[in-house]
Amino acid sequence: QKEVEQNSGPLSVPEGAIASLNCTYSDRGSQSFFWYRQYSGKSPELIMSIYSNGDKEDGRFTAQLNKASQYVSLLIRDSQPSDSATYLCAVNRDGNQFYFGTGTSLTVIP
Amino acid sequence: EAQVTQNPRYLITVTGKKLTVTCSQNMNHEYMSWYRQDPGLGLRQIYYSMNVEVTDKGDVPEGYKVSRKEKRNFPLILESPSPNQTSLYFCASRPLGAFSYEQYFGPGTRLTVT
Repeated sequence: QKEVEQNSGPLSVPEGAIASLNCTYSDRGSQSFFWYRQYSGKSPELIMSIYSNGDKEDGRFTAQLNKASQYVSLLIRDSQPSDSATYLCAVNRDGNQFYFGTGTSLTVIP
Repeated sequence: EAQVTQNPRYLITVTGKKLTVTCSQNMNHEYMSWYRQDPGLGLRQIYYSMNVEVTDKGDVPEGYKVSRKEKRNFPLILESPSPNQTSLYFCASRPLGAFSYEQYFGPGTRLTVT
């Protein structure tokens, strides 16, 4: 079983719509959770981090964490073509070892 | 400018020829880490370091060595590269501190081993 699982997509949404990205993880001891955005050929860029159950909002982005269900999601409101990228979910137990999902490819259609 | 740098950015080499990929950060971060990224497998952690002279294995350490003699540098060493180490490599760093687990990534090194 993979530590972190994401739907690979591709996920396509029209401009202005809400994009919903999902991630599940296997280690119940995981304490910190991250969403990274990665453009093709570029390095991952941190978008959101979340450490406790519930929602965390930052601009157009909302991260949701449900530790009981071992589930993390990222909502992107008012999606823009510039949001087209691969989104990586990452989890961490102790600050040392990080596990990444394979990423979900998002395309925002103008 | 706060950044993580890697060199070289692109490298083509032959099987068995030792190589080193350098990583340097100017943010005084204690923690540094190396990842490789392969299609369908995502980012996988190779080694990490909590501070000078403190290193530990990640998920896929086989065939790699690291050293941390200075806080700012964390080179990745492939003593006898093989074609299955062809990959995109990223170095990352973060400060140590309560709930500060957010990593900053370097630009990546694309390695091809023929």
